[in-house]
Amino acid sequence: GIQVEQSPPDLILQEGANSTLRCNFSDSVNNLQWFHQNPWGQLINLFYIPSGTKQNGRLSATTVATERYSLLYISSSQTTDSGVYFCAVGQKLVFGQGTRLTINP
Amino acid sequence: DTEVTQTPKHLVMGMTNKKSLKCEQHMGHRAMYWYKQKAKKPPELMFVYSYEKLSINESVPSRFSPECPNSSLLNLHLHALQPEDSALYLCASSSQGSHEQYFGPGTRLTVT
Repeated sequence: GIQVEQSPPDLILQEGANSTLRCNFSDSVNNLQWFHQNPWGQLINLFYIPSGTKQNGRLSATTVATERYSLLYISSSQTTDSGVYFCAVGQKLVFGQGTRLTINP
Repeated sequence: DTEVTQTPKHLVMGMTNKKSLKCEQHMGHRAMYWYKQKAKKPPELMFVYSYEKLSINESVPSRFSPECPNSSLLNLHLHALQPEDSALYLCASSSQGSHEQYFGPGTRLTVT
């Protein structure tokens, strides 16, 4: 089956910093989603981005489908950005192991 | 409206109990999913329903029994669970025209 790798596994930053999260996948996909899981477990949709670039406020994402990777950019981080960020691919949504982001005040 | 609701939020059950988890969406989506998430791990797919028919069962033990009574509702019936089944159970839905899935808040299950 398809493999999904996320890096880094953990990231600790100060408020106001920028960050880049990476997702590599092993096969071509027609679905790629980025999620933020909050401390209560809710998976919040950030981007549906099988290819191309999208922006939503301080967040943006780019997927280069031909090279099988996606990047999530977070600018001017806030403490509320803390949590686990998952990349998931495919119709059956295979998840990566996630990046745990901690933003310190 | 992109809301998927799940009840209950928390559930504690003994190994001999029978309980059910409920998921509901009113987005007109025709595909619905159950995922299981253990602590500090990513969600893993359990079942997929498409047009109210079970289309994927990821080799889930029979003590988990899904049901899709109509296009808006998805249940997960639980019977004779083990303590290792304690986890966050997430429901999701998607439209047939798009693969984008929307998740509910989950049911946190503890089996004692």
